[in-house]
Amino acid sequence: AQTVTQSQPEMSVQEAETVTLSCTYDTSENNYYLFWYKQPPSRQMILVIRQEAYKQQNATENRFSVNFQKAAKSFSLKISDSQLGDTAMYFCAFTSADSNYQLIWGAGTKLIIKP
Amino acid sequence: NAGVTQTPKFQVLKTGQSMTLQCAQDMNHEYMSWYRQDPGMGLRLIHYSVGAGITDQGEVPNGYNVSRSTTEDFPLRLLSAAPSQTSVYFCASSLTSGVDTQYFGPGTRLTVL
Repeated sequence: AQTVTQSQPEMSVQEAETVTLSCTYDTSENNYYLFWYKQPPSRQMILVIRQEAYKQQNATENRFSVNFQKAAKSFSLKISDSQLGDTAMYFCAFTSADSNYQLIWGAGTKLIIKP
Repeated sequence: NAGVTQTPKFQVLKTGQSMTLQCAQDMNHEYMSWYRQDPGMGLRLIHYSVGAGITDQGEVPNGYNVSRSTTEDFPLRLLSAAPSQTSVYFCASSLTSGVDTQYFGPGTRLTVL
């Protein structure tokens, strides 16, 4: 069965620092999609970044970037110059044909940015 | 565009009661889904739909029913509420499947006493 593991239940960093959230997954497929979603205290879940497994280049969105290591089945999220508004739960998610393109979610990492 | 709307935002039920959580989207998305979120467990898929008239079960479908008579609406029915169904429920929609960006509603916090 495909699984997604986020090993850090909670992290905290000072404002303006860089932080990396880890995510590992288990699959036997070669083609799949990975996501990071953010859930701030308002509860509204939004997409942060998306990566297609067949693309070797790591996805970036402004201060957010990923380190996609396909062989290691690792998909970490790096947040540069962290801001107070980055305080949120961050969820890693995975989908492939094997899961009928339904999302499989990690348990989440609670990130706190301290002023 | 309103995006994905959910009602109600909060609900308290007694064991055995039934209710319907409403979900609507105005983005003409084919794919809609219902999740429950419990502490320390991430999101778990309850039911999903790939288009009007088509629904399927997710990871935790027991105790819930869905229907999709229109592209816009995807209600979730709790048949006989149990305390184990106390959770936060999210509806999401996307163009075609989990491959696409999911747009989430604001969630419904449900407590079953």
